[in-house]
Amino acid sequence: AQSVAQPEDQVNVAEGNPLTVKCTYSVSGNPYLFWYVQYPNRGLQFLLKYITGDNLVKGSYGFEAEFNKSQTSFHLKKPSALVSDSALYFCAVRDRALGAGNNRKLIWGLGTSLAVNP
Amino acid sequence: GAGVSQSPSNKVTEKGKDVELRCDPISGHTALYWYRQSLGQGLEFLIYFQGNSAPDKSGLPSDRFSAERTGGSVSTLTIQRTQQEDSAVYLCASSFLWTSGRLGGEQFFGPGTRLTVL
Repeated sequence: AQSVAQPEDQVNVAEGNPLTVKCTYSVSGNPYLFWYVQYPNRGLQFLLKYITGDNLVKGSYGFEAEFNKSQTSFHLKKPSALVSDSALYFCAVRDRALGAGNNRKLIWGLGTSLAVNP
Repeated sequence: GAGVSQSPSNKVTEKGKDVELRCDPISGHTALYWYRQSLGQGLEFLIYFQGNSAPDKSGLPSDRFSAERTGGSVSTLTIQRTQQEDSAVYLCASSFLWTSGRLGGEQFFGPGTRLTVL
């Protein structure tokens, strides 16, 4: 069965320090992987995705994520955190084997709350 | 505007009443999704529309929930005889049809409707 795990409910980091938000997945085939961010009282925003190609994906607001097939992980990273990065982050996965046109099968993690302290 | 819009932003209703939530997707997006997000929880998939195909209703929690999408654009989620456990933020998202290439797939979310059932 497909699943996504975000093992940390909350991550705290000091402003200016690097941040990592973890995500691991389980799919039967190869994955498509996504990160979304939800700022307080706002809807989810797409950050970045891994489809194919380079394992290191760069996205919005200076975030990047590295696809690691052997560890089945797609951790979100940023070299220097900002207070404004404080938000709820969601990882999502889709199994490539499901084929085109099957949008709804995006499996979501439960989210990680990131708090960046000044 | 260019984004997904939802109305109302907030809805307070009494137990047993019916409510309608509206979603205006991004123009040209053929796929539309409804999710529910309860406090401290991840995204719960409700229903998915893709073009003129029959909607995927597999996520609807009970027969009190229904949704329609008129003219392939605007969608309405209806909850009949609301219960207190229906209180949540209801999110709508739209996307282009998924392709196997680098483009497409990411969902664009509206700001949500916060439903409170007293």
